[in-house]
Amino acid sequence: DQQVKQNSPSLSVQEGRISILNCDYTNSMFDYFLWYKKYPAEGPTFLISISSIKDKNEDGRFTVFLNKSAKHLSLHIVPSQPGDSAVYFCAASVLWAGGTSYGKLTFGQGTILTVHP
Amino acid sequence: DAGVIQSPRHEVTEMGQEVTLRCKPISGHDYLFWYRQTMMRGLELLIYFNNNVPIDDSGMPEDRFSAKMPNASFSTLKIQPSEPRDSAVYFCASSSLQTRDIQYFGAGTRLSVL
Repeated sequence: DQQVKQNSPSLSVQEGRISILNCDYTNSMFDYFLWYKKYPAEGPTFLISISSIKDKNEDGRFTVFLNKSAKHLSLHIVPSQPGDSAVYFCAASVLWAGGTSYGKLTFGQGTILTVHP
Repeated sequence: DAGVIQSPRHEVTEMGQEVTLRCKPISGHDYLFWYRQTMMRGLELLIYFNNNVPIDDSGMPEDRFSAKMPNASFSTLKIQPSEPRDSAVYFCASSSLQTRDIQYFGAGTRLSVL
């Protein structure tokens, strides 16, 4: 049962344009959502996050939107740069529930973003 | 800080051999996670520790897999005996209570079982 889904395996965008990466989830207990970026031969690195009490969080060129009713979040990158080419993972975590859920992330399959010069 | 350090970076072994992957978390982090990445299943959580104690090992695929954390600065993931289907990239990550779910990943170990 895949609780976090990234339905687009890949996305190709021209430099300077907007990149929109999407993520859907099924577990309504998820209360914190994160995006990680991964370059080849490296581990994933944290990019941006959002709590379920918000619907938008912005950090420079990166904005994450959360639509709880649709169980959907998206990452917008504006403007896109060739250096943004990487695999992007969406991840989610559940409310603290007595200790066993803390910090346990469920990841999506990832979306390969290619930004062309 | 040097970040999360994993060794080896690459491991090639033959089916049936024992494999040991190593991880040094970021100093001061009290949570340590082991993940496996494959094309088919993406990033899967195998096991995680809090203050060196295993909290959730429900992701460990089989008894052939075991993990230990003898102290706050070292953890191992062992596969014995290894099988070709264990071929994957294995990541270790650490986090602290203060940063909640923001995990810091090592560069990973690429395991190939022939």
